[in-house]
Amino acid sequence: GQQLNQSPQSMFIQEGEDVSMNCTSSSIFNTWLWYKQEPGEGPVLLIALYKAGELTSNGRLTAQFGITRKDSFLNISASIPSDVGIYFCAGQLRDSSYKLIFGSGTRLLVRP
Amino acid sequence: GAVVSQHPSRVICKSGTSVKIECRSLDFQATTMFWYRQFPKKSLMLMATSNEGSKATYEQGVEKDKFLINHASLTLSTLTVTSAHPEDSSFYICSARGYRTSGGETQYFGPGTRLLVL
Repeated sequence: GQQLNQSPQSMFIQEGEDVSMNCTSSSIFNTWLWYKQEPGEGPVLLIALYKAGELTSNGRLTAQFGITRKDSFLNISASIPSDVGIYFCAGQLRDSSYKLIFGSGTRLLVRP
Repeated sequence: GAVVSQHPSRVICKSGTSVKIECRSLDFQATTMFWYRQFPKKSLMLMATSNEGSKATYEQGVEKDKFLINHASLTLSTLTVTSAHPEDSSFYICSARGYRTSGGETQYFGPGTRLLVL
């Protein structure tokens, strides 16, 4: 089945540093989404990407949908302690099911 | 904005009992609901997809007789874990997709239900 390879698995950075994480797949997805999940809660959508090559920002977050529709990256600039959490990429299949396939997650820790 | 709720937020039950988890869309009609399971420090794994008024479609390896899904209305889906065992202990998260009353599609995740089977 479809798989999303997400890296890095975890990051421990200093407040103020920029962060980058990415996802790749052997499958083509219709839509790429980036979510943040905090302990004991459901994922919250950060950015949605719909077009190949699309570059979208949401505050300090920037994400791009790869030209081949098989990869995406998420950058967080000037990290702050509340950025702590697990970040997941998710690809939406090109069929009519609207299923989301999730990456393995990147655990981000920010040192004040 | 749109909100998806789950009830209960956490439940502890004895092995062999059944547990029902509700997922509600609060300000939109959810034509499709998805149920995910997440083990500690792992990713979300899709269990099944349900369309309102239809039987759920289960992912490979998910026992449909053990995880009963009902999507009887456009705002409510339920997941029942039947004859629960300790290995069913997990974080269960629903996601609802549908159309806002104000127009446009939307999809949101619920806050999750933590199940502990003793």
